[in-house]
Amino acid sequence: GAGVSQSPSNKVTEKGKDVELRCDPISGHTALYWYRQSLGQGLEFLIYFQGNSAPDKSGLPSDRFSAERTGGSVSTLTIQRTQQEDSAVYLCASSLATSGANVLTFGAGSRLTVL
Amino acid sequence: EDKVVQSPLSLVVHEGDTVTLNCSYEVTNFRSLLWYKQEKKAPTFLFMLTSSGIEKKSGRLSSILDKKELFSILNITATQTGDSAVYLCAVAGNNRKLIWGLGTSLGVNP
Repeated sequence: GAGVSQSPSNKVTEKGKDVELRCDPISGHTALYWYRQSLGQGLEFLIYFQGNSAPDKSGLPSDRFSAERTGGSVSTLTIQRTQQEDSAVYLCASSLATSGANVLTFGAGSRLTVL
Repeated sequence: EDKVVQSPLSLVVHEGDTVTLNCSYEVTNFRSLLWYKQEKKAPTFLFMLTSSGIEKKSGRLSSILDKKELFSILNITATQTGDSAVYLCAVAGNNRKLIWGLGTSLGVNP
């Protein structure tokens, strides 16, 4: 697609429920990142996918968080047993691995509210 | 520990003013510094800087990097209300995880 597409744009859920957030990166971008941005906070790195390499999961805050990327394209971030502190905007970004740099193109984000 | 510090955290100016936003960093094996503008949700790319002393310019925005003193500035001249946003600075080090600053929130009043 022309840009990075994320869905849903807004999600309100009850504490304890599971949620899935989807990211469709720019076609041909082999690198995909998930970030979390809480109100008034900077971008918090969650996970990074690069081609067929094992993902860098070092930013996932707990084992309730997981992500996968199927076929080197679409990625899903899953949060199990959501807690109120999970409320944030979840941003996905992709980049060309061969760019030699880190120019990321971001999606519009998924705003998660846990009641 | 790698870190990126932006200043000021926020400022409000009048249309037509010139502003300078600062980004200082301590990152192992520096590769590049990037500036992004975040208006609502998605940060949008402004500049990538890799070499000292070479100004990048786009319209009323410009940026420069000093790799000796480990900082970058983002200048906006003749500010407009549409410049109101959070400006984010990020630095790429040895791996592909960008280190992000907290951003500078800029408000431009008419």
